[in-house]
Parts: sequence; C-alpha cells; structure tokens
Amino acid sequence: GAVVSQHPSWVICKSGTSVKIECRSLDFQATTMFWYRQFPKQSLMLMATSNEGSKATYEQGVEKDKFLINHASLTLSTLTVTSAHPEDSSFYICSLRQGNSYNEQFFGPGTRLTVL
Amino acid sequence: EDQVTQSPEALRLQEGESSSLNCSYTVSGLRGLFWYRQDPGKGPEFLFTLYSAGEEKEKERLKATLTKKESFLHITAPKPEDSATYLCAVQAGDDMRFGAGTRLTVKP
Repeated sequence: GAVVSQHPSWVICKSGTSVKIECRSLDFQATTMFWYRQFPKQSLMLMATSNEGSKATYEQGVEKDKFLINHASLTLSTLTVTSAHPEDSSFYICSLRQGNSYNEQFFGPGTRLTVL
Repeated sequence: EDQVTQSPEALRLQEGESSSLNCSYTVSGLRGLFWYRQDPGKGPEFLFTLYSAGEEKEKERLKATLTKKESFLHITAPKPEDSATYLCAVQAGDDMRFGAGTRLTVKP
C-alpha cells in the first residue's frame, strides 16, 4: 500500500493560535486528498475533500474559514486550524486516493491536537 | 440516506477463538466496501476492498465476504496481536462513509 506521512504527530497549543498540519504522500501521486477528524472511541468524520489545484469541498457543519485546506501538489496537502479553541482538540487524519472512487484510500498516521 | 452499521460494538475473544464481525449497509450505487484496521493513536490501515456480492478476500487469519446488504470479517484462530478496532467503510459516489467500528480484544 501507499505510504502517507503526517507532521507533526502531535501538537499542543494555546487557545487562539493557529496550527498547520502537513500530509504527504511518499510514494504515489494522489488525485484526491481527504481530511478526517476522530474523537475518542468514535469513527472517522470526513471534514473536507480536495483535488490538486482546486478548492476544497467541505462537509456540512465544517467551517471553511476555520479549517483551511491547501492541496498544494499531488503529494502534499495542509490543514490549518485557525484560532484554535479547546473544542478543536481531536485526532486529525489525512487520507489519499489515486484515481477514481473505486480505489481504496490510504491513511496517514494522524495528528493529535490538544488546545489548552 | 446512506448508512453503515457495525456490530458488535466491542468483542472480547480468547486466543484461538474464531468469530465474525458484521457490517450492514444501505447505500445507493455501491462502488466498493472497504475494511480497515486501526490501532490506538494511529491511522487506519487498509485490509480489503470488496466490489460485488459473493466476493471474498483473505489475508492471513482474516477473511472478508460481501452480500448485497452486509459484509462479514471472519477472524480464524485470532492472536493477541489481532486486537484493534476494525472499521468498515462504503464508497457510494465520491464519499467514503465509515461505520463506528468494532473494538476487538484477543486475550492470551
């Protein structure tokens, strides 16, 4: 399977600051990238979908001005949590897909965000 | 509305005790059903993709099957290292929808 990296693996920040999370594909070019959020003992919730060079499509209830997504290239996507608050504390996971939606998604290892 | 339901929520087995995990789904236009394994604090790890009813796939102690309404993940003679949360996801259209997962614990 594909190798996906995320950086940082964990981050602790003060309320009101912004945090950037990077997601990289190490061995294939991703047509589509996804960002998920996962709360403890819950399943993954899709936040947004992006294609290289296009604006991200956000799921209902996800604030696009708060969660900025930049799909810079076929191997890099970033999620910036702006003006983070304690309720944004969560496990953020990116995933990549090559080709159409019949193909599997490969997930990164996740980033644990804690907002104090 | 597309729905994915996994059962049981949690399962505790003795080492060597075979069992099955269930994933029931209602979607229009299924493109694929996916099984993932997730260890605590890590991202999901891809296991299988199933595309049509009757299809089966195997990997070591795991075997996934698919019908028109549900999928099963059979675990044969599990070992403690099989302990994890197993996630089922369905692809209908452009979005992948996940079930809540089954937390499997295998005791030695």
